Amino acid sequence: DADVTQTPRNRITKTGKRIMLECSQTKGHDRMYWYRQDPGLGLQLIYYSFDVKDINKGEISDGYSVSRQAQAKFSLSLESAIPNQTALYFCATSFGGEQFFGPGTRLTVL
Amino acid sequence: KQEVTQIPAALSVPEGENLVLNCSFTDSAIYNLQWFRQDPGKGLTSLLLIQSSQREQTSGRLNASLDKSSGRSTLYIAASQPGDSATYLCAVGGGTSYGKLTFGQGTILTVHP
Repeated sequence: DADVTQTPRNRITKTGKRIMLECSQTKGHDRMYWYRQDPGLGLQLIYYSFDVKDINKGEISDGYSVSRQAQAKFSLSLESAIPNQTALYFCATSFGGEQFFGPGTRLTVL
Repeated sequence: KQEVTQIPAALSVPEGENLVLNCSFTDSAIYNLQWFRQDPGKGLTSLLLIQSSQREQTSGRLNASLDKSSGRSTLYIAASQPGDSATYLCAVGGGTSYGKLTFGQGTILTVHP
């Protein structure tokens, strides 16, 4: 079984809809991250959490929110999706400075 | 603000060649540097992690070096194979942003038979 899992793997939605992307990990790591990847722009950090009570904004947090429900779960929400949020979204955990990525969620906003 | 640049953006080589991918970063106060592989539409697989106190790391046919003072890292792939075809990403962590990685845009590698 994968150590970092993301659901859903693919999602198509319409402008204005609320969307939640979920991430779960079995690695026992305290630190978790959400990134988005756009062609030609590399990966950009959206939010990160160093433990259950710690949430921090990354480079591109506008239009997104997160919830750290437990050590193992970190969810990303788009309150009102817009087309330029169409991207590949990755969750990651880290320990000792090394990061471990989930398989990604491909989100399309029409 | 840390900036990471990878050169070349794309590389096509025949099978069997040894090759070098380059990564440079602007702030030398880093905690570590990590190389990843990404297959099309897939997640990132960690290849090598170099701590700031280390000069290089090796795994199989892969060798990564780190020169903090010059802000450079190289990923050396020996005896390339078609299965090595993927995008290779360099990411720098630490300094004032400990725990957060700053990514380069990647090098797209194609190894043809």
